[in-house]
Amino acid sequence: AQKITQTQPGMFVQEKEAVTLDCTYDTSDPSYGLFWYKQPSSGEMIFLIYQGSYDQQNATEGRYSLNFQKARKSANLVISASQLGDSAMYFCAMTGRLAFGKGNQVVVIP
Amino acid sequence: DGGITQSPKYLFRKEGQNVTLSCEQNLNHDAMYWYRQDPGQGLRLIYYSQIVNDFQKGDIAEGYSVSREKKESFPLTVTSAQKNPTAFYLCASSIPHDKVEPQPQHFGDGTRLSIL
Repeated sequence: AQKITQTQPGMFVQEKEAVTLDCTYDTSDPSYGLFWYKQPSSGEMIFLIYQGSYDQQNATEGRYSLNFQKARKSANLVISASQLGDSAMYFCAMTGRLAFGKGNQVVVIP
Repeated sequence: DGGITQSPKYLFRKEGQNVTLSCEQNLNHDAMYWYRQDPGQGLRLIYYSQIVNDFQKGDIAEGYSVSREKKESFPLTVTSAQKNPTAFYLCASSIPHDKVEPQPQHFGDGTRLSIL
């Protein structure tokens, strides 16, 4: 069975600062992938970044980067230079049946 | 433009009534999924389908039914057996995991279902 854990409380972040969102996972699959999605208050799910379990380098996509530590089973999302539009819920998810975590709430303040 | 269309955006259900949520995609994806999201919670998988005419139960399938008669369409029926249907429902599609490198799911904009 797959499980994703996101346990951080809601976070306030100063504009232009970096923020790290934690995600730990559990799976018995030898090969898997991890996704991060953003969900603004309007409800749509926006794909941000993907990390494959066999990728040698951490994934980066613009201001988003993934701190992937396979031995610790963690895949933390780093958002650099936060913008007001980054205020949203952020979900970590895993390939397969695409298990989702409960999300991290981020509010960016000016 | 390719994408996923969910309708309606808002839906109200009376007690004892079945309602059907529509999900259509023109991305030529084989796999489609239905999720339920409750306030402040993550997404829970209701049903998924990897190919036409085949579907599997997810984690919370009780009180729901689906069909997959066409590749483009994966409607979800919320039956009267679902006693607490008020939630946000999201439909998604993707290329199946076992065919290519894992691909992100594409999501529709969701349907908000409420009880009258």
